[in-house]
Amino acid sequence: GENVEQHPSTLSVQEGDSAVIKCTYSDSASNYFPWYKQELGKRPQLIIDIRSNVGEKKDQRIAVTLNKTAKHFSLHITETQPEDSAVYFCAASKPNNNDMRFGAGTRLTVKP
Amino acid sequence: NAGVTQTPKFQVLKTGQSMTLQCAQDMNHEYMSWYRQDPGMGLRLIHYSVGAGITDQGEVPNGYNVSRSTTEDFPLRLLSAAPSQTSVYFCASSYGSHADSPLHFGNGTRLTVT
Repeated sequence: GENVEQHPSTLSVQEGDSAVIKCTYSDSASNYFPWYKQELGKRPQLIIDIRSNVGEKKDQRIAVTLNKTAKHFSLHITETQPEDSAVYFCAASKPNNNDMRFGAGTRLTVKP
Repeated sequence: NAGVTQTPKFQVLKTGQSMTLQCAQDMNHEYMSWYRQDPGMGLRLIHYSVGAGITDQGEVPNGYNVSRSTTEDFPLRLLSAAPSQTSVYFCASSYGSHADSPLHFGNGTRLTVT
């Protein structure tokens, strides 16, 4: 089955700096790559997703890039704020397959 | 619109006990699933359903049963709880297939098995 690896496991940045979280996947058939944010004690919530027919997608301060050849995708957060502190999960899934696989998560801390 | 509602929020079981985790959604989503979240392991799929009367196994189904008698409800049953089932459980739903649609998660159930 699909295997998703996520790095780093923890990331600490200063407020205003950028943060980058990287994920790799094993199955070249995967074509949907969402990112979820989970604040402490809360439910995971989708923040952005990308499909394999595009290489980059932006939504205000967050962006995701996808390199299908290398089978990796990354989350970029610019101008980080303390409220960005959370655990971020990447995921990957194949067409017609409901078994979406998640990365192990990255705990991002933004220091004021 | 309550979204995805899970009960209970916390539960402590003794080894061998059984229980049912409840999940209901009011968004008329066809797809529902159960995940468990363990430290350092992300979210792993236990079981999922693509519609009423249809269920299938995910990555870690052993020790769990599900049923989907209505579109709204998707309960998860632990038949004989084991300490290895200590985890946080999330129910999720999506309008389309989980393969290409955003998941809407419930608030989670923290289960401890002693």
